[in-house]
Amino acid sequence: AQTVTQSQPEMSVQEAETVTLSCTYDTSESDYYLFWYKQPPSRQMILVIRQEAYKQQNATENRFSVNFQKAAKSFSLKISDSQLGDAAMYFCAYRASYGGATNKLIFGTGTLLAVQP
Amino acid sequence: DADVTQTPRNRITKTGKRIMLECSQTKGHDRMYWYRQDPGLGLQLIYYSFDVKDINKGEISDGYSVSRQAQAKFSLSLESAIPNQTALYFCATSDHRGMVNEQFFGPGTRLTVL
Repeated sequence: AQTVTQSQPEMSVQEAETVTLSCTYDTSESDYYLFWYKQPPSRQMILVIRQEAYKQQNATENRFSVNFQKAAKSFSLKISDSQLGDAAMYFCAYRASYGGATNKLIFGTGTLLAVQP
Repeated sequence: DADVTQTPRNRITKTGKRIMLECSQTKGHDRMYWYRQDPGLGLQLIYYSFDVKDINKGEISDGYSVSRQAQAKFSLSLESAIPNQTALYFCATSDHRGMVNEQFFGPGTRLTVL
């Protein structure tokens, strides 16, 4: 069965600095998708960035980028120039890509990021 | 207006009561999901539906039932609520036509069972 592990329950970063959140996953599939979701105090789950496993290039969305290491099954999120609004719980998630599947997202347990002014 | 809405946003109820959580979407997506979030456990899938006539159990469906009244509406029911069903509940939608098929979440319903 696929699993997603986030080994950092909490992280802290100074405003304007860079922080990296770790995520590892376990799967026997070769084709899949990986996601980072942000959950601020409002509780809304917001998609931050996604990565297709067949793409070697790391995804980037403005200040957010990932370091996708397929062989190591690692998918870390880097937040550059951290802002107070980045403070939230961050979840890493995996989804297999085969057709007809549940499209079920498998989530990690989350990393709570605090941004210090 | 939000694309995925959930009602109520917060609910406190007593053990043994029947509770219905509702989800509506204006995204035109065919797939809908119900997740439960507990502290320290991430989100777990309760039920999912690929269309109005297709409903499937997720990994933690015991004690829950669902109804897909229309493509845009997917309700979750707790027939007889118990305290360990206290959690944050999320509805999500996705479109099978999308390559990535990413899921979009509603704002969540915080349910407390006393």
